[in-house]
Amino acid sequence: EVQLVQSGAEVKKPGESLKISCKGSGYTFSTYWIAWVRQMPGKGLEWMGIIYYGDSDTRYSPSFQGQVTISADKSITTAYLQWSSLKASDTAIYYCARRDVETEYFDYWGQGTLVTVSS
Amino acid sequence: QSVLTQPPSVSGAPGQRVTISCTGSSSNIGATFGVHWYQQLPGAAPKLLIYGDNNRPSGVPDRFSGSKSGTSASLAITGLQAEDEADYYCQSYDTSLSLYVLFGGGTKLTVL
Repeated sequence: EVQLVQSGAEVKKPGESLKISCKGSGYTFSTYWIAWVRQMPGKGLEWMGIIYYGDSDTRYSPSFQGQVTISADKSITTAYLQWSSLKASDTAIYYCARRDVETEYFDYWGQGTLVTVSS
Repeated sequence: QSVLTQPPSVSGAPGQRVTISCTGSSSNIGATFGVHWYQQLPGAAPKLLIYGDNNRPSGVPDRFSGSKSGTSASLAITGLQAEDEADYYCQSYDTSLSLYVLFGGGTKLTVL
């Protein structure tokens, strides 16, 4: 069974750093990309970036370039999304989602990680 | 404002048919890229509903269908049920502005 299991909810203060994770299981990782998607409270889905497990090729949405870092550890089939200095406006649910190298859509999604940034 | 434009809301009574539009341009929907649709039930993660314009993943009822024409796509839901009340998002890709993945702004479906 394909699963993307994300790390738990986080409460942080502005200026703090954070790294959340997305662990995949039940499929061949090297043939898939993992994307990160933001959903701010009451708002829609925003694509942040995507990483290819096979060679760690990473691409970012212009809106998020330089604001976050996406990485992956193939050995433990886990992708990461990290911030070096959080802002209150980073408060959102963050989803990871899987995309096959041959397709254009996201067929499995993680359960989401709620990140709350508040002083 | 999203590059892919969806109506903020649509509604229908149980048993009726509703459609949700997704309007793009020649650099995304009008190019060679497919359109995909996701359903997000309240408090849940998005779920793939339609892929490649008009294909349903296993387990998705045939009440859901997709179509594409020119620079627009549509999601149709027939035999509306209360459990269909959710947010729906279209997704595609774009060749301009270095945009890689595009999501529509989302449409809230209310079952009356």
